[in-house]
Amino acid sequence: DGGITQSPKYLFRKEGQNVTLSCEQNLNHDAMYWYRQDPGQGLRLIYYSQIVNDFQKGDIAEGYSVSREKKESFPLTVTSAQKNPTAFYLCASTGGDTEAFFGQGTRLTVV
Amino acid sequence: SQQGEEDPQALSIQEGENATMNCSYKTSINNLQWYRQNSGRGLVHLILIRSNEREKHSGRLRVTLDTSKKSSSLLITASRAADTASYFCATDPVYNTDKLIFGTGTRLQVFP
Repeated sequence: DGGITQSPKYLFRKEGQNVTLSCEQNLNHDAMYWYRQDPGQGLRLIYYSQIVNDFQKGDIAEGYSVSREKKESFPLTVTSAQKNPTAFYLCASTGGDTEAFFGQGTRLTVV
Repeated sequence: SQQGEEDPQALSIQEGENATMNCSYKTSINNLQWYRQNSGRGLVHLILIRSNEREKHSGRLRVTLDTSKKSSSLLITASRAADTASYFCATDPVYNTDKLIFGTGTRLQVFP
């Protein structure tokens, strides 16, 4: 079945650590996105990529990094520079139509 | 820079009642979409309405779009407990077609 997969579902980070969230899609979509969602809030765009080997900062890119070496994969690294990383992270992709397909999310907690 | 703002922020109704959520946005759009999110899960696309459309139906969902007022509404008729979720509007702006801009969401609670 086609879809978008995020892993892990839950992730714990110690202070000062970098962690990487995985996002894989088999929908053959060109565009991929990372959003952050805080409790009871909407989605804020972190980074997005329209094509392999290219990506752009969203509204809250500071403290995050991404790569897009393959069309299917768009991993997000939460660096130690992100001072408040505890949140729910959502990955999405879009094809020719702008309807977005979302993964099930990764809940990151700082311990 | 969020473009969409939903109203109300939260809504509680009984099963069988209709639920109406509103979305306002700021700039010209190509289309507007509505998504649903169950607690702790990803978003699921519900319906897309293009800027040249005024109303669209899908099952128990009815969406309207008023581009002159830069607003949209989502009506869920004959609601069920299973409709309990957060609902988000998302706009595809004319000025930047690279990304969708999501609103802040409406939390809907449907009591049996």
